[in-house]
Amino acid sequence: EPEVTQTPSHQVTQMGQEVILRCVPISNHLYFYWYRQILGQKVEFLVSFYNNEISEKSEIFDDQFSVERPDGSNFTLKIRSTKLEDSAMYFCASMVTGGGNYGYTFGSGTRLTVV
Amino acid sequence: GQNIDQPTEMTATEGAIVQINCTYQTSGFNGLFWYQQHAGEAPTFLSYNVLDGLEEKGRFSSFLSRSKGYSYLLLKELQMKDSASYLCAVREGLTGGGNKLTFGTGTQLKVEL
Repeated sequence: EPEVTQTPSHQVTQMGQEVILRCVPISNHLYFYWYRQILGQKVEFLVSFYNNEISEKSEIFDDQFSVERPDGSNFTLKIRSTKLEDSAMYFCASMVTGGGNYGYTFGSGTRLTVV
Repeated sequence: GQNIDQPTEMTATEGAIVQINCTYQTSGFNGLFWYQQHAGEAPTFLSYNVLDGLEEKGRFSSFLSRSKGYSYLLLKELQMKDSASYLCAVREGLTGGGNKLTFGTGTQLKVEL
């Protein structure tokens, strides 16, 4: 079964450093998302991406965050200057189309720890 | 905005049936999803409802009432491996818009012998 692949699985970084989280969505999917989950809390939407541009973003997704689809396969989330409160599990998700009963497929996540 | 409520935790016995409820308040409802999440892992898709009624999928069923803003997930013949968090998530917006999911806090289900 096709998978969404995320790397690295775990990243530790110092406060103020830049991090790039990488995702390879399922190849025929058109819609891409980043969500995060702080330990013990609910899954929160960050951003959605379609047709090479952001279609929606949450209040969490401020100027410190950016997304890119640099080639036909990768989808990246960059945090420019990490803060302690950015520590969370970051999930990439993709979907073949925007509606219908197609489930969003989530990657296995990147656990980001900011120290 | 959206408000999604589900119980924090539930306990059930192996072989039994359990019902996990979810209530929501939203505008522009465009579907409700149930996901299973084991600790430290990604959510995995269980079911989807957009019209009122019951959707059955093996041991799992999900029900939706749009007028009441209510859904439930029914798990039958519980197994120990069903111990996990069950997430209710609502999608807003127009079909085809690639719309985001808004998640509830999840219901931690513990299956005991």
